[in-house]
Amino acid sequence: EVQLVQSGAEVKEPGESLKISCKGSGYSFTNYWIGWVRQMPGQGLEWMGIIYPGDSDTRYSPSFQGQVTISADRSINTAYLQWSGLKVSDSAMYYCTRRPTGTRTFDIWGQGTMVTVSS
Amino acid sequence: QSALTQPASVSGSPGQSITISCTGTSSDLGDYKYVSWYQQHPGKAPRLLIYDVSNRPSGVSTRFSGSKSGNTASLTISGLQAEDEADYHCGSYPPSTTVFGGGTKLTVL
Repeated sequence: EVQLVQSGAEVKEPGESLKISCKGSGYSFTNYWIGWVRQMPGQGLEWMGIIYPGDSDTRYSPSFQGQVTISADRSINTAYLQWSGLKVSDSAMYYCTRRPTGTRTFDIWGQGTMVTVSS
Repeated sequence: QSALTQPASVSGSPGQSITISCTGTSSDLGDYKYVSWYQQHPGKAPRLLIYDVSNRPSGVSTRFSGSKSGNTASLTISGLQAEDEADYHCGSYPPSTTVFGGGTKLTVL
């Protein structure tokens, strides 16, 4: 079964760092893009950026450039989203999602990781 | 880029058809044939319903259909069922970026 499994919910304080993960299975991880999408409570989806694990080619939304870092470790089929200094406004659900090469859609989604930032 | 514009909510009775619109500009939607629609039930991850404007992935009901005219894409759900009650998100894919709509809550009366 093709799936993306994300790491568990996180509760952090402002200023802390965080790295959440997304592990792919059931397919060739290096041949598909992995995107990250933010969903704030009661809001729509926001595209944050995308990485191609095969060569680590990474693109960011201008809204998130410099705010987060997207990376991948193809040896363990895992992509990451990290912050170096969390803000209360980073509290949201974060989804990873797969984009097949040569297409422009996201066909498989992870279950989501809830990040809560509070003092 | 700003989010694509979707109605906040739509509703319909079982068996009826409804249409959800998704409006952008020529630079973020109109010039491209890459529009997707996603269904999201409460507390769940989005699920792909439509890609490349009007294509359905394997396993998606034929009751879901997509179209595009100019700068507006549309998702039509025919024969509404209670299980269709969910949020629906459109997405467009200009080069090197992705833009989503604000989401539409569908209520089945």
